[in-house]
Amino acid sequence: DQQVKQNSPSLSVQEGRISILNCDYTNSMFDYFLWYKKYPAEGPTFLISISSIKDKNEDGRFTVFLNKSAKHLSLHIVPSQPGDSAVYFCAASWVNFNKFYFGSGTKLNVKP
Amino acid sequence: DVKVTQSSRYLVKRTGEKVFLECVQDMDHENMFWYRQDPGLGLRLIYFSYDVKMKEKGDIPEGYSVSREKKERFSLILESASTNQTSMYLCASSSDTEAFFGQGTRLTVV
Repeated sequence: DQQVKQNSPSLSVQEGRISILNCDYTNSMFDYFLWYKKYPAEGPTFLISISSIKDKNEDGRFTVFLNKSAKHLSLHIVPSQPGDSAVYFCAASWVNFNKFYFGSGTKLNVKP
Repeated sequence: DVKVTQSSRYLVKRTGEKVFLECVQDMDHENMFWYRQDPGLGLRLIYFSYDVKMKEKGDIPEGYSVSREKKERFSLILESASTNQTSMYLCASSSDTEAFFGQGTRLTVV
């Protein structure tokens, strides 16, 4: 059973608007969460992370929100750009346990 | 710049062949992983290794084995390739807080 779930396989957004990608997890032991971006025929690259002691982390156009009570996190991209079109994976881990669990990915398409 | 290198970008193998996928990292990480990526299923962990000669099964180890003889190198072995092992294979190594991925190997078993 998947411990990290991304229920939206795809998302289409107009350039300049906000993209919101969602992720849910089931294991309350997770204390560290990451977002990765993947282009076709390339490996995933790290985008942004958040520790469970925070509820928000921001890096430029990317913000990750964590709602521990709901076991839910989201990635906001503002403003969205065509170059953001990629598959986004949510991941969760225990710090110091060094094992990462990934969701099934959301394919984002940003239309010019 | 950190680097995880997979030996092949594309491979085509025949059913029943023994296949080796090689991965090397230059970050002195203790932890290394093999994932496969399939549409709609995301990244599924096949095996991981937390030290030289140490390994643990991930979520889908059947049909695979691994070897870690040196810290920087982690090999995935398909003992007898089958068509349902056609996939994108991704190697990663990790610090405590981030996994770094190789560029992936697209394996096709015919």
